[in-house]
Order: sequence, then structure tokens, then C-alpha cells
Amino acid sequence: KQEVTQIPAALSVPEGENLVLNCSFTDSAIYNLQWFRQDPGKGLTSLLLIQSSQREQTSGRLNASLDKSSGRSTLYIAASQPGDSATYLCAVRLNSGYSTLTFGKGTMLLVSP
Amino acid sequence: GAVVSQHPSWVICKSGTSVKIECRSLDFQATTMFWYRQFPKQSLMLMATSNEGSKATYEQGVEKDKFLINHASLTLSTLTVTSAHPEDSSFYICSARDASGYEQYFGPGTRLTVT
Repeated sequence: KQEVTQIPAALSVPEGENLVLNCSFTDSAIYNLQWFRQDPGKGLTSLLLIQSSQREQTSGRLNASLDKSSGRSTLYIAASQPGDSATYLCAVRLNSGYSTLTFGKGTMLLVSP
Repeated sequence: GAVVSQHPSWVICKSGTSVKIECRSLDFQATTMFWYRQFPKQSLMLMATSNEGSKATYEQGVEKDKFLINHASLTLSTLTVTSAHPEDSSFYICSARDASGYEQYFGPGTRLTVT
């Protein structure tokens, strides 16, 4: 059974810092990996999706990397802003076409002004 | 990107009553829909997977007679919580995927409070 772990569980940084969120998964036979953002009481916003054949994806100040063989992904946030404060969820999908996503517990990020 | 809506966004009901939550794919045909449940400060837990026109497949530990799922069309799935109890209070999120199976799109969630 796929298990997804996110470290740290919570992170507090001052505005402007670069930061890294970590995600690890136990079964490396994945189809893709996705990073989401969730604001309190809200649904999920997809940030980046990395296919199993890809090493990284970038969107603005966000960069996600994938090392499938070691079962790890990182989400790098450059020049953090207070508006980045949210919970960040990592989810993986197994390599069986129509399987669903397995989520980690998330990292709660607080960026202070 | 594809849009998934949920209705209602929040609902309060009395213990023992039933409540229905709708999930719609607005601009694509959702051949597969998923229902998740999220407790405060916890991650999303998959409850069930449904394919259009077929019975839902429930995850272990999820009572199928309590959480009725209907996926009658390619754009609509419903989750009915029957005989709700306070412990059913949670945040319910639906997700949909089209026939390509490439990406899942998530709804905004429904906050259920059972009093």
C-alpha cells in the first residue's frame, strides 16, 4: 500500500525566505505526483503535476522536483510571501492508469510579514 | 483548467436526517468521480470511486449503506449521508477525471455539520 509522508508538518518563516517542502512515498511505481495548496476551509488548488518520466516542473516561484527511484519529491518556494501561507499537500498516483491519488498529511506553512 | 463544482458549500443538519451533496463537472465529461473526506488538520481520505453508470467502489471501512453514491451521468455525482450523526461532521471533497485519465480535478468542498 502506497504511503506518502510530508516533512515538516509545519513551517514558519519570515517573508522573503526561500524554502523547501519534502514529500516521500513508499512505492516508486508511480504514474505521476502532484502538489496542491489548500487554504483553511477551502478545496484544493493544483500547483504542479510531474509525470513519472519528468524530473521537475516549474511555475512562477514554485519548482517541484521528482526522484522516483528514491521515492522523493521537493517543492521549492522562492522569495516567500505572506500570501503563500497555506497547507501544501503532496499526492501520488500509482502506475495503473486509473488509480486514484494518495495524499500526504500536508505541510502547514506560515509566512510572516 | 477543468472546473468541478459542489453544492452546497456548507450544510447543517440534525442528527438522524439525511443530506445530499452534489458534485458536477462543468466543462468536461467525468467518467470517474471520487469522494474524499477530510477531518480538521488531517489529509484527504478516499471514501469511494465511482464510474458513470456503475456502482461505486468503497474503500475499506466506509459504510456503503451510510454513504450512498450515485454517478448517474457524465457530469453529476451525488453523495448522500444517511441517518447522519455528529461524528459524520467533516469536510467532503469530490474529484473528477475525464476519459484520458491524466489529471484529477477537485471541487471546492462541502462542510457538513451534524447537530
